[in-house]
Amino acid sequence: QVQLQESGPGLVKPSQTLSLTCTVSGAPVNSGVYYWSWIRQFPGKGLEWIGYIYSSVTTYYNPSLRGRARVSLDTSKNQFSLNLTSVTAADTAIYFCAGGQYWQTIFEDWGQGTLVTVSS
Amino acid sequence: DFVLTQTPLSSPVTLGQSASISCRSSQSLVHSDGNTYLSWLHQRPGQPPRLLIYKISNRFSGVPDRFSGSGAGTDFTLKINRVEAEDVGIYYCMQATLFPTFGQGTRLEIK
Repeated sequence: QVQLQESGPGLVKPSQTLSLTCTVSGAPVNSGVYYWSWIRQFPGKGLEWIGYIYSSVTTYYNPSLRGRARVSLDTSKNQFSLNLTSVTAADTAIYFCAGGQYWQTIFEDWGQGTLVTVSS
Repeated sequence: DFVLTQTPLSSPVTLGQSASISCRSSQSLVHSDGNTYLSWLHQRPGQPPRLLIYKISNRFSGVPDRFSGSGAGTDFTLKINRVEAEDVGIYYCMQATLFPTFGQGTRLEIK
């Protein structure tokens, strides 16, 4: 069973960069078979996939984010991270990290989520 | 984008009865590899979503057989038989035929 845990600041100022980390146990993040994703849930409960990293180097992002998101790995700590630049209040959400071994089950394991509020 | 529309948005159900949730896509979800990447997830209050069904009708590990998925192309259904108290929460359909997108969610509540 893969376990994931998000960490990072709960408050970010507008125009700054949101940075979150997901610590993984039960699987190596540099495994060639896992998709490591970030997903967010807005206050109204809608879900939005942000992006993933796969096979250590392949990344893919939601086009709606217009290049603001970046997902990366830290294999020494078995973690993967999200950087989201130029945030606004519209980026206020619960951020989840998730993992899956296959495309068909890309979100089979989830972290508990962390609330990030964008406010001055 | 693939826009997923769920109906109903809210479903009050009596314990022991059945519930059905519909998910309609703005485009066919058949991938070029022949698979249809339509999943269903369930989110209990205060918890992350969890995967129930993948590729239309395949139950994920540990999911009771009270849950079943069906459909093809653009129209899909999740059926829950013999609803139990632990089934309350929000159900989401999700497609991964293109980049992943989610339906708006259906709230299941007990009458």
